[in-house]
Amino acid sequence: GAGVSQTPSNKVTEKGKYVELRCDPISGHTALYWYRQSLGQGPEFLIYFQGTGAADDSGLPNDRFFAVRPEGSVSTLKIQRTERGDSAVYLCASSLVGGLTTDTQYFGPGTRLTVL
Amino acid sequence: GQQLNQSPQSMFIQEGEDVSMNCTSSSIFNTWLWYKQDPGEGPVLLIALYKAGELTSNGRLTAQFGITRKDSFLNISASIPSDVGIYFCAGRVNAGNMLTFGGGTRLMVKP
Repeated sequence: GAGVSQTPSNKVTEKGKYVELRCDPISGHTALYWYRQSLGQGPEFLIYFQGTGAADDSGLPNDRFFAVRPEGSVSTLKIQRTERGDSAVYLCASSLVGGLTTDTQYFGPGTRLTVL
Repeated sequence: GQQLNQSPQSMFIQEGEDVSMNCTSSSIFNTWLWYKQDPGEGPVLLIALYKAGELTSNGRLTAQFGITRKDSFLNISASIPSDVGIYFCAGRVNAGNMLTFGGGTRLMVKP
């Protein structure tokens, strides 16, 4: 079946602009995660959804970052007033349940965001 | 910032050699995971460890969950060119929680 998909694959924007990044999780997966991966580093957690609600948003760096998942499937990560330091690959992952020890997170290919 | 220290940062080895990499943490994790990431792709799960002391194999890969729950290692035996990539350890405290990743080990294999 289809894996996690993310669009766009690449996004170039100018400092100060607003961007939206989309994630389509694996069908039937109730848990969805966003991570940010800077060059040469491991992914860093941003936010976790269980269904439609954000169960943990402790990784969002500041109030310019916001994410939604209105119908419990597709999620959108929104970044306002982008800064050059926001440049990174934004990864989305989904898992079947989210509440089991053996629950596996499956990652999408990411969106590479470049802020000029 | 990241809490997991992964080493080595990079390795350049001959095909057929065995590889070992490890991850240490200042805090306890209840699940340890090892992922591989190829260029332009997201991380793919290789091995998951759920109990302290657990030793698990997946083909040529073997990983162990440290007794203290603060470390893990991954071994790759008889490396082949397609093993090239970046390997990440990741820890999780509770089910459903976020993963905390190490900085990665870049593996390069010379045929």
